[in-house]
Amino acid sequence: QITLKESGPTLVKPTQTLTLTCTFSGFSLSTSGVGVGWIRQPPGKALEWLALRYWGDDKRYNPSLKSRLTITEGTSNNQVVLTMTNMDPVDTATYYCAHFIVGEGYFDYWGQGTLVTVSS
Amino acid sequence: QSALTQPASVSGSPGQSITISCTGTSSDVGTYNLVSWYQQHPGKAPKLRIYEGSKRPSGVSNRFSGSKSGNTASLTISGLQAEDEADYYCCSYAGSSLWVFGGGTKVTVL
Repeated sequence: QITLKESGPTLVKPTQTLTLTCTFSGFSLSTSGVGVGWIRQPPGKALEWLALRYWGDDKRYNPSLKSRLTITEGTSNNQVVLTMTNMDPVDTATYYCAHFIVGEGYFDYWGQGTLVTVSS
Repeated sequence: QSALTQPASVSGSPGQSITISCTGTSSDVGTYNLVSWYQQHPGKAPKLRIYEGSKRPSGVSNRFSGSKSGNTASLTISGLQAEDEADYYCCSYAGSSLWVFGGGTKVTVL
């Protein structure tokens, strides 16, 4: 059974760096054809794809946010960490991580999401 | 890489069929058959309903179907039910291992 869960701060100040951890179980990022993605959703607004860590450590970022985003491995091999620099109030959103099937291109299992508010 | 275009809202009566469009460009929807659709109820995480344009995951009702023509993908919900009232999002491959979501469509069951 595949599960994912996001963790991190619920409140960050403008200009600070956000670090979110996705802890997952039921699959391995060493398995060919899988990935872990990050997607966010501002309150009342649409989903926005942020980044993907593919198996084999390939990483891709939304071009409009690429300069601010970094995906790394966590302290254990079942974690993916997303870092976003220079946070702004417009970055207030629910941040989701999701299991991704590369060949067919879909997110089939999602975490519950974590709401991050950017405010001084 | 711009968000895919979806109608803000679509409505229908119980039992009817509705179709949600998702318009992209020749750089995403028009070139790749990698469009997925997600259903999201308020306060919940999205759920996969369609992938590769027209394939249904195991356990998803056959009332959900997908198609594509040119730069536009579509999701059709037939036999509309109250539980189908939710937001729906399309997502497409945009080349170079990049992905893009649509702006979302609110489905209302009248």
